Amino acid sequence: QLVLTQSPSVSASLGASVRLTCSLSSGHSSYAIAWHQQQPEKGPRFLMKLSTDGTHIKGDGIPDRFSASRSGAERYLTISGLQSDDEADYHCQTWDIGIQLFGGGTKVTVL
Amino acid sequence: EVQLVQSGAEVKKPGESLRISCKGSGYSFTDFWISWVRQMPGNGLEWMGRIDPSDSYINYSPSFQGHVTISTDKSISTAYLQWTSLKASDTAMYYCARHVHGDYIDSWGQGTLVTVSS
Repeated sequence: QLVLTQSPSVSASLGASVRLTCSLSSGHSSYAIAWHQQQPEKGPRFLMKLSTDGTHIKGDGIPDRFSASRSGAERYLTISGLQSDDEADYHCQTWDIGIQLFGGGTKVTVL
Repeated sequence: EVQLVQSGAEVKKPGESLRISCKGSGYSFTDFWISWVRQMPGNGLEWMGRIDPSDSYINYSPSFQGHVTISTDKSISTAYLQWTSLKASDTAMYYCARHVHGDYIDSWGQGTLVTVSS
């Protein structure tokens, strides 16, 4: 069964870097994913798609501070130079024939 | 500019029916699937189902099959999410979202808050 697993929360200091993880379930390690940001009291915003070959497509206006990578069944979103408005929930998304799926989301707190 | 504009917040009583909408603009509406996504208070995102506006082909999540109806009117570039009998547990924010090539979401509506209370 296709499942995405995210850590519930992570915190880091202003200006630091943080890496979020989205884990694909066994047997699905080759899947592409997308990352979405949801700031408090706002709707989600598309950040980027991470393809199976490691290339990515960013949403409009997404700064270079946001990058994505992969290793095995793990998919990563790295935020460099953390800013106060990076404090948000980050959701990963994947898909298969006839289904779409989200991870549980990771809340990033900027200290 | 791609935009998905959703209808306004709704307050309903249990047992009532409801249809909310999502109007696409700035792109060819029939070239991209539309999904509906639920977010209950304090929770994550749950995919409900998607529709291909070009032929109205629909996939529902098993969790929502039979509880909601997704439809589209491509003549006015609008997708809909409908309930025939609301429950208190349907209280949530509902988002529409656009898929690229039928896979990743690249654009979101602003959300429609549905409150069901007696």
